[in-house]
Amino acid sequence: DGGITQSPKYLFRKEGQNVTLSCEQNLNHDAMYWYRQDPGQGLRLIYYSQIVNDFQKGDIAEGYSVSREKKESFPLTVTSAQKNPTAFYLCASTHRIAGGVDTQYFGPGTRLTVL
Amino acid sequence: DAKTTQPTSMDCAEGRAANLPCNHSTISGNEYVYWYRQIHSQGPQYIIHGLKNNETNEMASLIITEDRKSSTLILPHATLRDTAVYYCIVRGYNTDKLIFGTGTRLQVFP
Repeated sequence: DGGITQSPKYLFRKEGQNVTLSCEQNLNHDAMYWYRQDPGQGLRLIYYSQIVNDFQKGDIAEGYSVSREKKESFPLTVTSAQKNPTAFYLCASTHRIAGGVDTQYFGPGTRLTVL
Repeated sequence: DAKTTQPTSMDCAEGRAANLPCNHSTISGNEYVYWYRQIHSQGPQYIIHGLKNNETNEMASLIITEDRKSSTLILPHATLRDTAVYYCIVRGYNTDKLIFGTGTRLQVFP
């Protein structure tokens, strides 16, 4: 069954703790993305990776870190430096094609609540 | 900032066509129009995209005006499961970032 998986669906952490969100895809996609969504708002790009061992900051990268050691995996760490980490986090992936990128497909999301 | 303007909310009777408008008056020649929808607490679902020509797939039709400054997503026979927030997004071919606005909340009623 091909797709993008994010785990867990719900995550609770105490303030001051780092937490890592998982994103795995078996679509053989080259590029992967992390977005954040706050209630009633659209998605905002945190980080993205076009190839393994390379990634770029998005619009709201402060307080987050990522790694891309494998093509299938793009974990996101929410650090204690992120001032307002409670949000819905979405992972996406796509193929890179000649001169550009293809359609992005999204995972089911992880809802993080920091207490 | 989002490059698109959509109505905040719309209603549609079940079984009728839902026509969701989107204004993208500053679109560039090499930018595509994408539509996604998001059902509550789920990830966005890709619906359709187009550049100049009208497009149709198993989910919907996309009508783009000749000047490309606006478009309409058509769900031909809306069902209760089509209740969601619909996002219209303009994206360059070689642009990684999708810029989401606040979308249109479509409510399909029985």
